[in-house]
Amino acid sequence: NAGVTQTPKFRILKIGQSMTLQCAQDMNHNYMYWYRQDPGMGLKLIYYSVGAGITDKGEVPNGYNVSRSTTEDFPLRLELAAPSQTSVYFCASTTRGDNYGYTFGSGTRLTVV
Amino acid sequence: AQSVTQLDSHVSVSEGTPVLLRCNYSSSYSPSLFWYVQHPNKGLQLLLKYTSAATLVKGINGFEAEFKKSETSFHLTKPSAHMSDAAEYFCVVSPPQAGTALIFGKGTTLSVSS
Repeated sequence: NAGVTQTPKFRILKIGQSMTLQCAQDMNHNYMYWYRQDPGMGLKLIYYSVGAGITDKGEVPNGYNVSRSTTEDFPLRLELAAPSQTSVYFCASTTRGDNYGYTFGSGTRLTVV
Repeated sequence: AQSVTQLDSHVSVSEGTPVLLRCNYSSSYSPSLFWYVQHPNKGLQLLLKYTSAATLVKGINGFEAEFKKSETSFHLTKPSAHMSDAAEYFCVVSPPQAGTALIFGKGTTLSVSS
């Protein structure tokens, strides 16, 4: 019962580097989300997807890209990392008919220096 | 548009005393409301959810919340705090459509002293 798996758990990037945060779920959920969490700010939505091949911007999409080629995977790409992207990133998923059973991953803590 | 406001950024209680974490929401629909808890350096755990059934919702670890439409509130309570309750708590709102992204409040840090 893996649920939502995020990798890596921790990462330090240098300014200008790029990386991909991985998110995979094994529950056949249609809907997947990426959030970032900054101290005192709650979680803010970066991007979301309602199914394979369909993605859309959330509240804070600048500096990020996503893709959804399969139902299971929803990677988040950071291009040209900036210190403002230092944050904890959470992936989540749910499905129609799951009575709002959102499942969150354990998070990726990213530091850009 | 939906939004949620957590009225206290930090609440401190003594062990064994009641806990009250306040949350007001704004929604043009009949919302779904949640409380999540996050312990230090951990992920998010669902405490309870309101989805238009009973207005008094019971959750895990002795927590409960009451949906009051007239006051647009969804306050979280617990009769007796335990040291292990020290964590950050998020009030969350979502429109009724399945799959809609959750909207988080800024969080309330609960401290529990012995």
